[in-house]
Formats: sequence, structure tokens, C-alpha cells
Amino acid sequence: AQKVTQAQTEISVVEKEDVTLDCVYETRDTTYYLFWYKQPPSGELVFLIRRNSFDEQNEISGRYSWNFQKSTSSFNFTITASQVVDSAVYFCALDNAGNMLTFGGGTRLMVKP
Amino acid sequence: DAGITQSPRHKVTETGTPVTLRCHQTENHRYMYWYRQDPGHGLRLIHYSYGVKDTDKGEVSDGYSVSRSKTEDFLLTLESATSSQTSVYFCAIGGAGNYGYTFGSGTRLTVV
Repeated sequence: AQKVTQAQTEISVVEKEDVTLDCVYETRDTTYYLFWYKQPPSGELVFLIRRNSFDEQNEISGRYSWNFQKSTSSFNFTITASQVVDSAVYFCALDNAGNMLTFGGGTRLMVKP
Repeated sequence: DAGITQSPRHKVTETGTPVTLRCHQTENHRYMYWYRQDPGHGLRLIHYSYGVKDTDKGEVSDGYSVSRSKTEDFLLTLESATSSQTSVYFCAIGGAGNYGYTFGSGTRLTVV
């Protein structure tokens, strides 16, 4: 069985602060994919990143960065210099290549001006 | 072109009535999925399909059935809606290891 845990249910920061969203996963498979999705107040799910289990390189995309550590089964997401438009619910998810995406419970990020 | 569309976007129905939600894709993906989203639970898989007439249960399949008679359409049916099925339902396509997933815009279902 696979499981994704996002221990932070809600985070509140002031604009321009850096914020890290934690994601811890459990799987017995050696091949798997990890995802982050953003759900803004409008409700759609926006794909942010997909990372396979064999690629532990950290990734940076603008103000977003991701830290994948297999040793701790974590795939954390950092937003640098947060903005009000970053306010959303963020989901971490795991696909064990068995065609079943398992989601964490989500972290609601509120960025205040 | 969105590639994946859900209908209806919103629905209010009464307890005990049947409800069918539709997911339509234009991407010719083999795999299609139905998820429900509830506070604190993220998204949970209800059923998925790996081809025409080929479906399987997910984590929270009780009370739901699905059908896929064409590659492009995946239907989710609540045979007799209950208040516990009030939720936001998302359809998705993709998977199979090497692909990402694309989600529809969601259907907000309220059972009163």
C-alpha cells in the first residue's frame, strides 16, 4: 500500500516570506513518480512537477523549488518570496507506476499582503 | 481545447435519486479515473478504467459504479445518492507510468 502525508494542514505567511510545504511518502516500489499540484480558489488542479524515483536532483523553476530525498522519503516544496497569488491548496501525490495516483491531504497556504 | 471535460459542473440532487456524472476526453488516453475530493482527505480514487469496458475499483468505490463504452467517455453513477456522497468529483486521464495526469475542472455534487 502507498501513502502520502502532508502534516501541515494550513500555513499562513506574509508576502515575500519563504515557505516550505512538507511531503512524506510510503511505498514498497522502487519505481514510482511524485507530483505536486496546486488548487487555487477557482478549484481546478494545476500540475506543478513530476519527479521519478531515479532522479534525486533538486529542481528549481522560478520561485519554486523541490527537494527530493529518498533517504527520508520526502519530496518537499519551497516557494521563495511568496506572493498573494500563491495562496492555494497544494497537494503532493504518488504514482507507483501501477496507474493509481495517491494524494496527500493537502496543505492550505495563505499568503497575506 | 481543454482535452478533458466534465458535466455537469454543478448538481444538486435529492437523497435516494440516481445521478450520473460524465467525463469526456479528446486525448485518446487509455486510462481514465474518477476521484472525489473531501476536506482533509485530499483526492481519493473511486474507480478507474484501463480501456473500453475495462474498469476496476479504487479506494472508495462503495456506492458508485462506472461504465466506459467508448474510449472518450467515462461515466460515474451514484445508484442511490446519499448525503455522504456530497463532494467535488474530478475526472482524470493519463498515468501508465510514463505519463502525467490531467484533471477535469470538477463537478460539485450536493445531495440534500
